[in-house]
Amino acid sequence: GENVEQHPSTLSVQEGDSAVIKCTYSDSASNYFPWYKQELGKGPQLIIDIRSNVGEKKDQRIAVTLNKTAKHFSLHITETQPEDSAVYFCAVNKLTFGKGTLLTVNP
Amino acid sequence: NAGVTQTPKFRVLKTGQSMTLLCAQDMNHEYMYWYRQDPGMGLRLIHYSVGEGTTAKGEVPDGYNVSRLKKQNFLLGLESAAPSQTSVYFCASSYGPSGANVLTFGAGSRLTVL
Repeated sequence: GENVEQHPSTLSVQEGDSAVIKCTYSDSASNYFPWYKQELGKGPQLIIDIRSNVGEKKDQRIAVTLNKTAKHFSLHITETQPEDSAVYFCAVNKLTFGKGTLLTVNP
Repeated sequence: NAGVTQTPKFRVLKTGQSMTLLCAQDMNHEYMYWYRQDPGMGLRLIHYSVGEGTTAKGEVPDGYNVSRLKKQNFLLGLESAAPSQTSVYFCASSYGPSGANVLTFGAGSRLTVL
């Protein structure tokens, strides 16, 4: 089955800095790569996704890039704010998730 | 529009007891999923359903059973609970199977097995 690795497991940044989280996957046939944000005590919520026919997608301060050849995709958050503090999960298709990254944005 | 609702939110069981977690969605979604979330392990798929009356095994199905008798409901059962099943359980649903269909998650059910 699909294997998804997510790094780093924890990330601490200063407010205003950028944060990057990377995921690698194993199945070259995978075609959908969402990112979820989970706040404390809540279920994950989709923040951005990308399909295999696109290399990059942006939504305000959030962007996702996909490198199909290398089988990795990354979440980029610019101008981080304290409310960005949460656990972020990558996923491949809808069935396989990474182990999560705890992002802490320090004021 | 409630989205995905899970009940109960919290439950404490003794080893060997049984229980059922209920997931209800009001979005007319075809697909429903049960995940468990453990520290450092991310979300792991237990079972899923591609439509009313169907179920399929995910990554970690042992010790769990599911039923999808109605399109809007997906039940997760533990016949004989074990401490290893202490976890937070999330239900999710989506309109269809393709990548264009986003997962909508419930708020989670925290289960402790003593």
